[in-house]
Order: sequence, then C-alpha cells, then structure tokens
Amino acid sequence: SQTIHQWPATLVQPVGSPLSLECTVEGTSNPNLYWYRQAAGRGLQLLFYSVGIGQISSEVPQNLSASRPQDRQFILSSKKLLLSDSGFYLCAWSPPGLLRGETQYFGPGTRLLVL
Amino acid sequence: DAKTTQPPSMDCAEGRAANLPCNHSTISGNEYVYWYRQIHSQGPQYIIHGLKNNETNEMASLIITEDRKSSTLILPHATLRDTAVYYCIVRVAGYSGGGADGLTFGKGTHLIIQP
Repeated sequence: SQTIHQWPATLVQPVGSPLSLECTVEGTSNPNLYWYRQAAGRGLQLLFYSVGIGQISSEVPQNLSASRPQDRQFILSSKKLLLSDSGFYLCAWSPPGLLRGETQYFGPGTRLLVL
Repeated sequence: DAKTTQPPSMDCAEGRAANLPCNHSTISGNEYVYWYRQIHSQGPQYIIHGLKNNETNEMASLIITEDRKSSTLILPHATLRDTAVYYCIVRVAGYSGGGADGLTFGKGTHLIIQP
C-alpha cells in the first residue's frame, strides 16, 4: 500500500530565515505530487504540482519554490520566510497519468509558524 | 466545478450510524461526488467517491440520489475517532489536459461523535 510522509511535523522559524519541507511517497512510481497550504480557518490553496522528476508547475506567485529531485520526493523551500508564510503545509499524491478529477491522498502536514 | 451545500455541524451518538447530507443541485453529468474528512491538526483523508451508483468501502457508504442533486455519506458505526470536519466536493471526471486542479474544500460539516 502507499504511504506519504512529511517532516518536520511542526516548525517555528524567524522571519527572513530559510525553509525546507520534505515529502516522500512510498509504494507507487511516478506519482503526481502536490503542495498545498491551509491557512488557519481557511480552505486549501494549491501551491505547486509535479508530474515527474524536475517538472514543477506553480499555481500562484509567491515567496516559495518547489523541487522534485527524485521520483517520490517533493521539497518545498524558501530563501527568506515572511510572516504570511505561516500555515499548515500539506503534501499530496495522486496516481500517474490524469491531472484532473483524480483522487488525491494527503500527508500528515507540517505546521509552520513564522515569528 | 459545481458548488456543494452541507450543514455546518452535526452530532451523532457513538455506535450509531452517522448520516451526512450534501446538496449539489448544479452537478454536471461528468462530475463525481467526493468525500474527504479532516481530523483536527491532521491532513485531509480521502473517504469515498462515486458518479451515479451507490458506493461502499471499508470506511463508509455513499448514497447518491437518482437525479444526482444530493448525496449522503454514511458512517455505519460511528466512533469517537470519527469526530472531524467532513467535506463533500464535486470534481470533473479525470482527463489529462490543462494542468492540475487543486482540491477546493468548502466549510464542510463538523461531525461530533458523542460518547
């Protein structure tokens, strides 16, 4: 069966510091991968998605970047964090092939607080 | 994607069946009904989805009305661990063109299982 991991679970960072969040998926090959942010009391916002190694698409302009150095590894980064980057960051995967209407499966999330 | 309407909150006694309604009166013929839930401080969890026919899996049953304008998620024997916010969404059936569509959750139904 497939599992998805995220770490760290919780992170407190000062404004202006760098960020690296990691997501890995087990039990599947060439998955579609997604990064979402869920701000407190608000809905999900899709940040990035990837259909393969080195292929990243950005949904919104922002202070963050994503990379996919390996088939089942997805990394979310920032060079300098802003207060507005605080939130709950979720990684998700879906089976390869379709990008719309497919079932997405989420990781446990990373709660980021920027002070 | 079509809009959905859910009650903001519901209570259910432990061990009883929890029936969560969802209205999607503008659903199109090629849109699936999906259910996810989010337990506090965790990532969203996929539950079930369906197009026209009723569906059942190890977690729940999904009953879709014949006109597809509404559906009901049934948790047959609710436990305290089923306390969560339940999201009903409709999504176009899978296709590969045009980039990814991120999941969009509304406010959902906060289901509280009472001991």
